[in-house]
Amino acid sequence: AQSVTQLGSHVSVSEGALVLLRCNYSSSVPPYLFWYVQYPNQGLQLLLKYTSAATLVKGINGFEAEFKKSETSFHLTKPSAHMSDAAEYFCAVRISGNTPLVFGKGTRLSVIA
Amino acid sequence: EPEVTQTPSHQVTQMGQEVILRCVPISNHLYFYWYRQILGQKVEFLVSFYNNEISEKSEIFDDQFSVERPDGSNFTLKIRSTKLEDSAMYFCASSAGQEETQYFGPGTRLLVL
Repeated sequence: AQSVTQLGSHVSVSEGALVLLRCNYSSSVPPYLFWYVQYPNQGLQLLLKYTSAATLVKGINGFEAEFKKSETSFHLTKPSAHMSDAAEYFCAVRISGNTPLVFGKGTRLSVIA
Repeated sequence: EPEVTQTPSHQVTQMGQEVILRCVPISNHLYFYWYRQILGQKVEFLVSFYNNEISEKSEIFDDQFSVERPDGSNFTLKIRSTKLEDSAMYFCASSAGQEETQYFGPGTRLLVL
């Protein structure tokens, strides 16, 4: 069965600093990987997804993630944090198109002025 | 931009009572899902629904739970006799196809007393 581990339930960065949110997955077959973001009082919004094409995936709002099979990782990065990036971020995996998403616990990102 | 909506945003109920959580998926989507997140825990899959029947369900989705698409727009989750441990945020999602991105609603926070 597949699983996702997000290291750090809360990450705090200064405005303009690098954002790095960590995600490691476990899957017996090549996975599809996703990052979702949840702003306060809103639903989960897809940031980006990896579906076995390019290993470096660019998403919305300047975020990107790199699939590293050797490290079973799919970390989310953004070069320069903005106050509007403060939200909860969820990493998720599924093994094929018709299987449910398996989520990590989420990481709350705070951005300090 | 089309979005998934959910009502109510918050619901408080007494243990043993029935609750119905409502979702309006994106209009041309064919696949519907319910997930839940107990406070401090992972987002967990409950059930997927396609062509007016359940296509997959998790161990959590026992006989106390049911789903229905009563008309062309709504998708409901019913909990027949709520338990304290049903307290959670419930997310509805929809997708245009099995391989397509799942779009999530803002969630319904259910509190069982």
